[in-house]
Amino acid sequence: AIQMTQSPSSLSASVGDRVTITCRASQGIRNDLGWYQQKPGKAPKLLIYAASRLQSGVPSRFSGSGSGTDFTLTISSLQPEDFAAYYCLQDYTYPYTFGQGTKLEIK
Amino acid sequence: QVQLVESGGGVVQPGRSLRLSCAASGFTFSSYGMYWVRQAPGKGLEWVAVISYDGSNNYYADSVKGRFTISRDNSKNTLYLQMNSLRAEDTAVYYCAKDLIANIDNYGMDVWGQGTTVTVSS
Repeated sequence: AIQMTQSPSSLSASVGDRVTITCRASQGIRNDLGWYQQKPGKAPKLLIYAASRLQSGVPSRFSGSGSGTDFTLTISSLQPEDFAAYYCLQDYTYPYTFGQGTKLEIK
Repeated sequence: QVQLVESGGGVVQPGRSLRLSCAASGFTFSSYGMYWVRQAPGKGLEWVAVISYDGSNNYYADSVKGRFTISRDNSKNTLYLQMNSLRAEDTAVYYCAKDLIANIDNYGMDVWGQGTTVTVSS
């Protein structure tokens, strides 16, 4: 199975900061990668699909980039509601695999 | 509105079986691939299984292959997960989710249920 290595595992930041989370695949996955946000006790929410396409209704401060093995999720200006866990998911081949997650906390 | 509602979770002894259901509404269920994803307490997300829109293809995580079976009844707009030979490490919240785009399986999962909790314990 493809391994997804996500970093950092946790991150402290302030409202207004620019934040970047990275995901590296153990082999090339084209641009078949999504980013999900999860708040405590809630289901995950799709933010980005196909590496860089913003899901409908998601604020434009979220953006994704990358192709092949290296991907990034960027939040341009953190808002209070953005403090949550973030996961990447490769949907290039089965079994799909998630990164281990990044917990974004308020500094 | 588009909605997925899971049910069937509970407490079960190791080695026993459980069947989860996911009732879909608000979209053409028979046109979308469907997934199960789980999350153990305090842990990250784990992809479990997928079934194609017509039920003809399915794939599993290595951790559940041979023990879990995903299926669907398009006439009832319902997704299932039959879980056999349950282990303590299967304890998790189980979510069902749908493909973003009909008949395309690598554009993400856009709608998720609220989750149902499975606890495997003696």
